[in-house]
Amino acid sequence: GESVGLHLPTLSVQEGDNSIINCAYSNSASDYFIWYKQESGKGPQFIIDIRSNMDKRQGQRVTVLLNKTVKHLSLQIAATQPGDSAVYFCADHTSGTYKYIFGTGTRLKVLA
Amino acid sequence: EAQVTQNPRYLITVTGKKLTVTCSQNMNHEYMSWYRQDPGLGLRQIYYSMNVEVTDKGDVPEGYKVSRKEKRNFPLILESPSPNQTSLYFCASSLAGASVGETQYFGPGTRLLVL
Repeated sequence: GESVGLHLPTLSVQEGDNSIINCAYSNSASDYFIWYKQESGKGPQFIIDIRSNMDKRQGQRVTVLLNKTVKHLSLQIAATQPGDSAVYFCADHTSGTYKYIFGTGTRLKVLA
Repeated sequence: EAQVTQNPRYLITVTGKKLTVTCSQNMNHEYMSWYRQDPGLGLRQIYYSMNVEVTDKGDVPEGYKVSRKEKRNFPLILESPSPNQTSLYFCASSLAGASVGETQYFGPGTRLLVL
């Protein structure tokens, strides 16, 4: 079946540096993408989303980039902080369906 | 406070003993969904509901049942739990029927161990 996956299981970054987490999706019909953050012992928390009619969307310290040509999604976190340490995963959705496909997650470790 | 709640948060049970995990949201959301999260597999959808009395299977529905009698509640029922249902379960909801894609709000999770 089609799936959403992540390239790196663990990413370690120095505090203050920028982080980039990548995601590849396989369904070319997907038109809505979400990034979630999951801290230990908690449920996933929405970070940012993007629809397929956009290439880039910015939030507070986070940016999502969408490359539909290569079916790639990335999350950029500026000035990474210790509180950013968590598992991050992407999900995609196709209009007309009621299902979301989630990636397996990347653990972000922020080094002091 | 707008939230999705789940109960219980932790549960240890034995094979074959029926159990129910409750999920409730106070945001008047139409769409609700259950997921299980297993190491290395990510979140997998079990069942979802587009509105009251409207439910459908997700990717891994075997061994589970759901009901949606009220808009705010979406219980997950394991009629005869088996060890392979040991997992971390999340309930989620979103405002409208999710056919166009929307942010889902997740509950805190229920960790289930079936012996």
